Amino acid sequence: GAGVSQSPSNKVTEKGKDVELRCDPISGHTALYWYRQSLGQGLEFLIYFQGNSAPDKSGLPSDRFSAERTGGSVSTLTIQRTQQEDSAVYLCASSPGLAGGPNFGAGTRLSVL
Amino acid sequence: AQSVTQLDSHVSVSEGTPVLLRCNYSSSYSPSLFWYVQHPNKGLQLLLKYTSAATLVKGINGFEAEFKKSETSFHLTKPSAHMSDAAEYFCVVPFLSGGYNKLIFGAGTRLAVHP
Repeated sequence: GAGVSQSPSNKVTEKGKDVELRCDPISGHTALYWYRQSLGQGLEFLIYFQGNSAPDKSGLPSDRFSAERTGGSVSTLTIQRTQQEDSAVYLCASSPGLAGGPNFGAGTRLSVL
Repeated sequence: AQSVTQLDSHVSVSEGTPVLLRCNYSSSYSPSLFWYVQHPNKGLQLLLKYTSAATLVKGINGFEAEFKKSETSFHLTKPSAHMSDAAEYFCVVPFLSGGYNKLIFGAGTRLAVHP
């Protein structure tokens, strides 16, 4: 079946512009995660959605970052007024629950010039 | 609190020799544990998972890991390295906190395989 799909695969933007990154999770997966991976760094947790519960936003680095998950399926990560330090690979993952290891998408590589 | 430590940031082996990537965890209970692999410019792929069934877990591509509670370890091994195994490997522990599922990632181990 289809895996986790992220779009675009690459995004180049100018400093100060807003960007939207999309994640299509595996159908039926109730949990959805966003992570950020910067060059030479580990994976940084951003936000977690579980069903209809309020999301865990504790990893969002600033109020320029926000995310939505509509209808318990597709998620959009929005970065407003992008800065150069936002350049990274943004990874999305989905999971049917805690027992299984989440499935990751290929990521969106964001470059802020 | 839960944590994961990958003891080596880089491991280099020759093709055909054994691979050992070390992972130690800290948890107040017997956790689930995962190993993921990330090839260059690719997403993360689940290699194997421990979920308190068998302590020796077999994964894809000939990898396996053994959960040792007494040592709080979950080391990843492969008897014979292949060139295609060159990648970064992450040990991950999930846990439930305040009703939220969190994933704790180790810092990663970059595996180089030489001919």
